[in-house]
Amino acid sequence: NAGVMQNPRHLVRRRGQEARLRCSPMKGHSHVYWYRQLPEEGLKFMVYLQKENIIDESGMPKERFSAEFPKEGPSILRIQQVVRGDSAAYFCASSRTVGGRFYEQYFGPGTRLTVT
Amino acid sequence: AQTVTQSQPEMSVQEAETVTLSCTYDTSESDYYLFWYKQPPSRQMILVIRQEAYKQQNATENRFSVNFQKAAKSFSLKISDSQLGDAAMYFCAYRTPGDKIIFGKGTRLHILP
Repeated sequence: NAGVMQNPRHLVRRRGQEARLRCSPMKGHSHVYWYRQLPEEGLKFMVYLQKENIIDESGMPKERFSAEFPKEGPSILRIQQVVRGDSAAYFCASSRTVGGRFYEQYFGPGTRLTVT
Repeated sequence: AQTVTQSQPEMSVQEAETVTLSCTYDTSESDYYLFWYKQPPSRQMILVIRQEAYKQQNATENRFSVNFQKAAKSFSLKISDSQLGDAAMYFCAYRTPGDKIIFGKGTRLHILP
């Protein structure tokens, strides 16, 4: 059973370009979470999605950032017009629920975004 | 608002010795989950141990155990018989009822041979 997949692992973008980060959850998992880790910091929650729904986006910056988890395909975190401050590691996690009970969040290996 | 505080940015321990990493948290909830995650240089987040708040018994996973003090909102991690492979960043984390995880800033653990 493959774990959470993220690609690319490393992404370099110039200021003003767009960054697209992809996350494929574990098989059977319908919940996806995105976290951002700045250098020497802990992970910070960004957004929680289920298929075709955003459940909680309280950690998302108000502008330039968006996320989706379509019915088919991976979850996408999109950053428009990147700035140097967006340089960070972006982690995706997935989990499942059974009978309304949440199970562990499993993390992907992260995507390291560098903005030059 | 829920917060997680790790007051030790770095710690060192001699190989084969025991070390304790501290964590305190703040919440008004009564039912929640607490975790310790390990992040080695590869950056992969690895779940070390978890504790359910309604369980009084401290969780244990092989060489890793916790001291969970619910009233004091304290959740420390004890690593016994430290090994070189234990060197990593360790993050204490709290899972909210809304299922997002709040992380502390981490403790970098060095293992001295």
